[in-house]
Amino acid sequence: DAGITQSPRYKITETGRQVTLMCHQTWSHSYMFWYRQDLGHGLRLIYYSAAADITDKGEVPDGYVVSRSKTENFPLTLESATRSQTSVYFCASTPYLVDSPLHFGNGTRLTVT
Amino acid sequence: AQTVTQSQPEMSVQEAETVTLSCTYDTSENNYYLFWYKQPPSRQMILVIRQEAYKQQNATENRFSVNFQKAAKSFSLKISDSQLGDTAMYFCAYRRGSQGNLIFGKGTKLSVKP
Repeated sequence: DAGITQSPRYKITETGRQVTLMCHQTWSHSYMFWYRQDLGHGLRLIYYSAAADITDKGEVPDGYVVSRSKTENFPLTLESATRSQTSVYFCASTPYLVDSPLHFGNGTRLTVT
Repeated sequence: AQTVTQSQPEMSVQEAETVTLSCTYDTSENNYYLFWYKQPPSRQMILVIRQEAYKQQNATENRFSVNFQKAAKSFSLKISDSQLGDTAMYFCAYRRGSQGNLIFGKGTKLSVKP
């Protein structure tokens, strides 16, 4: 089925480990985003991408790395996980800049112990 | 910088009644878009309704409607005939016309009681 999928759905990792969250969309949307959701903060933008090989920082990029070698994939890597990165992570995509909404994946709940 | 404020962290309503969720935003832009998203316990983010700033007419989607007051920078969501399935977190979001990302409020947790 067409859509946007995130994997894994749940992940537990230890402080200092590297972890990669995957995001794949089948619509060929140009724009993709990574948000984190924390209680009391809503959703905050980590990184976004306007097209393959074009990425830019959002509001809270520290400690994260992204890449986008193919239009359909936008992985998010925590190079050395910290407890403050315990959160729910959402990937989203959209085809246009005008009035099209963001389409979200189902999120990854990451726990850093 | 643009900000989005939802002043009601939690609300409750009786089934079949009407409830209004508040949202205000701060911007100096003239071209922008506003959205309401619903997040049920399943964690999925679901688009409820959207509004273009240049349209004076308030958007409506079935039981959901907005009261868009551009001068006051207010974008409230009205849910009519509330149903148990409306229980969720509701997020107001703003998008500048020239950018793709959304800026979200902190959310309002709505509970619909039988």
